[in-house]
This record gives sequence, C-alpha cells and structure tokens, in this order.
Amino acid sequence: AQSVTQLGSHVSVSEGALVLLRCNYSSSVPPYLFWYVQYPNQGLQLLLKYTTGATLVKGINGFEAEFKKSETSFHLTKPSAHMSDAAEYFCAVSVEANAGKSTFGDGTTLTVKP
Amino acid sequence: DGGITQSPKYLFRKEGQNVTLSCEQNLNHDAMYWYRQDPGQGLRLIYYSQIVNDFQKGDIAEGYSVSREKKESFPLTVTSAQKNPTAFYLCASSIGRTGRRQPQHFGDGTRLSIL
Repeated sequence: AQSVTQLGSHVSVSEGALVLLRCNYSSSVPPYLFWYVQYPNQGLQLLLKYTTGATLVKGINGFEAEFKKSETSFHLTKPSAHMSDAAEYFCAVSVEANAGKSTFGDGTTLTVKP
Repeated sequence: DGGITQSPKYLFRKEGQNVTLSCEQNLNHDAMYWYRQDPGQGLRLIYYSQIVNDFQKGDIAEGYSVSREKKESFPLTVTSAQKNPTAFYLCASSIGRTGRRQPQHFGDGTRLSIL
C-alpha cells in the first residue's frame, strides 16, 4: 500500500522568504510523485511531477522538488514567496501497479504575509 | 481548450433526495475519478473508472453510485443513503493504463450542501 504524509497543515511565510512544504511517502515499489496546488473553490493544478530520472524536478511558478529515496521525501521549495503563492498544496503518490490511481496527502495551506 | 467540466458549481439537496453531479471531459482520457474533499482531510476517492462500462469502488463508495456509458462522461449520484453529503466534490481524469506515470487533470468542483 502507498501513503503520503504532509508535515504541517499550515505554513506561514513572509513575502520574499523561502517556501518549504514537506512531504514524506511510503511505498514498497518505486513511486511516482506529484505536487498539486489548489486555489479557493477550484480544482487541483499540477505543479510538478517525478517519475524517473533526475531527482530534482522543476515545475511551474518557480517551484521545485527533490526526490530523496533514502529519506522517502519529496519536499516542495520556492526560493522567494510571492503573495500569489497563497493556496493549498497537495502531495500525491502513485505506483505502477495501481493503474494510475493516486493517494493524496491531507494538504498544506500556505499563507504569505506582506 | 481541452479540459474537465463539472456542473453545477453549487448544488443543494433536501433530506431523502438523490442528486447527480455531472462531469464531462474532452481530453480523450480513458480513466476518470471522483473525489470528496472535506476540510483538513485531503482528497478521498469515491469511485474510479479505467474504461467505458467499467468502474470500481474507491475508499468511501457507500451512499454513492456512478455510471460510465460514454468515454467523456462520468456522472456521480449522491443517494439518500449518504448521511453526510455536504462536501466539495472533484472529478478528475488521466490518460489511463497506458500512461500510469501521468498526473490527473481536475475539474473546478461542485459544492454540495444540505438544505
């Protein structure tokens, strides 16, 4: 079985500060990992994904994430927060055998202070 | 533009009433999913379908039903057996079995409330 844990349901940063949202996964087989962003009353949008290959993946809006197998982590970072980054962020894991189904974390709400 | 359309955006249900949420996609995706989102609980899978005329229960299927008669459509019915239906419902699609590494694409959701 696969699972995802997002550490911290709420994260608050100042505009221009580093954003770090934590995600740890559990999987007995090589995982595929995703970060999604959700703005109020909207669906989820893909930020970035890791499938195979390079462990540092870059996404949209200046976000990136690093797959660390030894730590079973896939933390999301952005060097400088912008007010428009305020949203809810979801980490998700999928494995080959599960036919494309994803398991989602509980989400982290990011607040950006001016 | 290709995408997923969910309707209506807001829906109200009376006690004992069934309601159907619409989900249509023009991405030519084989797989479609229904999730329920409650505050602080992330997304929970209700039903999913990998191919037309076939679907499987997810983690919280009780009180819900679906159909998949067409590739582009995957309606969800919230029955009167669902005792706590107030939630935000999200429909998603993905390429399917041939693209298991691919992400899911989401609609903008339907918010269901009890009158």
